[in-house]
Amino acid sequence: AQSVTQPDIHITVSEGASLELRCNYSYGATPYLFWYVQSPGQGLQLLLKYFSGDTLVQGIKGFEAEFKRSQSSFNLRKPSVHWSDAAEYFCAACTHSGGGADGLTFGKGTHLIIQP
Amino acid sequence: DTGVSQNPRHKITKRGQNVTFRCDPISEHNRLYWYRQTLGQGPEFLTYFQNEAQLEKSRLLSDRFSAERPKGSFSTLEIQRTEQGDSAMYLCASSGQDTHNEQFFGPGTRLTVL
Repeated sequence: AQSVTQPDIHITVSEGASLELRCNYSYGATPYLFWYVQSPGQGLQLLLKYFSGDTLVQGIKGFEAEFKRSQSSFNLRKPSVHWSDAAEYFCAACTHSGGGADGLTFGKGTHLIIQP
Repeated sequence: DTGVSQNPRHKITKRGQNVTFRCDPISEHNRLYWYRQTLGQGPEFLTYFQNEAQLEKSRLLSDRFSAERPKGSFSTLEIQRTEQGDSAMYLCASSGQDTHNEQFFGPGTRLTVL
């Protein structure tokens, strides 16, 4: 079955430190990959996406993610976190065939806590 | 363009009652999705429309759930005979044609079943 795994339920990082959130996927073929952020009381906001091509993708708010086919991973990174980055982060994936669209499969999320 | 909107934002109902939620997608988007998110979990896909056609339904969508998109614009999700287990955040998303399924989400409707 297709699945997305985020191994870390909670991560605590000091403000100004670097961040890496892990995401692994299990699909028959390379899916489309996404990272979303959800702040309390807010909707899901798309941070970045990978479809094909360059394996290092840049997103909004200073985030980037690297696709590694050999590891079936799509980890999210940020060189220096800000207190406002505290939120829930979701990795998501979907198949793509014949130009059709599919519902996204989400991981369970990683809760990011920023220490002052 | 104001993004995806959902109404109501909150709904409290008693077990056994019917509820209906509305989603207005981004105007030029022809694809519309419904998801359910429970506490501490990621969103789970429920169903998908392309224009007015419902093309995919998850096994999570029991026969008490029905979704419509009559004119290919807004969509409604109805839950009949609500149960306490239906308490969740119901999210709507939309995407355009040829956008690699890049979905934009609304703020959600939080349902509490007493």
